[in-house]
Amino acid sequence: TQLLEQSPQFLSIQEGENLTVYCNSSSVFSSLQWYRQEPGEGPVLLVTVVTGGEVKKLKRLTFQFGDARKDSSLHITAAQPGDTGLYLCAGEGGDAGNMLTFGGGTRLMVKP
Amino acid sequence: NAGVTQTPKFQVLKTGQSMTLQCAQDMNHEYMSWYRQDPGMGLRLIHYSVGAGITDQGEVPNGYNVSRSTTEDFPLRLLSAAPSQTSVYFCASSYLPVSGNTIYFGEGSWLTVV
Repeated sequence: TQLLEQSPQFLSIQEGENLTVYCNSSSVFSSLQWYRQEPGEGPVLLVTVVTGGEVKKLKRLTFQFGDARKDSSLHITAAQPGDTGLYLCAGEGGDAGNMLTFGGGTRLMVKP
Repeated sequence: NAGVTQTPKFQVLKTGQSMTLQCAQDMNHEYMSWYRQDPGMGLRLIHYSVGAGITDQGEVPNGYNVSRSTTEDFPLRLLSAAPSQTSVYFCASSYLPVSGNTIYFGEGSWLTVV
């Protein structure tokens, strides 16, 4: 049983649309990270959130950590084809101990 | 700067064979780990290490061994390969604590067990 559940698993949208990806758990984490992975490559860290309620922005991407540090969301505004990829959330600390535990991922395709 | 280097990139094994996936990092990171990635399952932690001489089990350790004799190297050994171990394997490293630092991943090793 995975500690982190991501939804949706797959998302196909048109360029210019907005979208939100969710990462939910019943466990508490010390921090939560979001990664993006391209085919044939390893995941690359986008952001780390550590404080309950924290919001971080990275250009058109907005990341939020839930108040109870059990969930997080990634919102992309005006998606572009370059945003296509696999988005992974990962929790560390708290109930996960020293391990970095990943969700199942959301595969995003943005069509031009 | 090489970062995290994994070898081999592709490998086909027969059931019952053994092999070692190599992982090396040149960033003097204390933390190193191995993950496997299967469709729809994200990345699952196999083993991790917080320093030379220290290893611990992750979520899916069965069938795999690791050792950490140096800070730089963290090899993953498959003792008797099984078709269920067909997967993409990623090595990762970072400074400690993990939550305060960037985790760097290797490019992956594609393993097929027939």
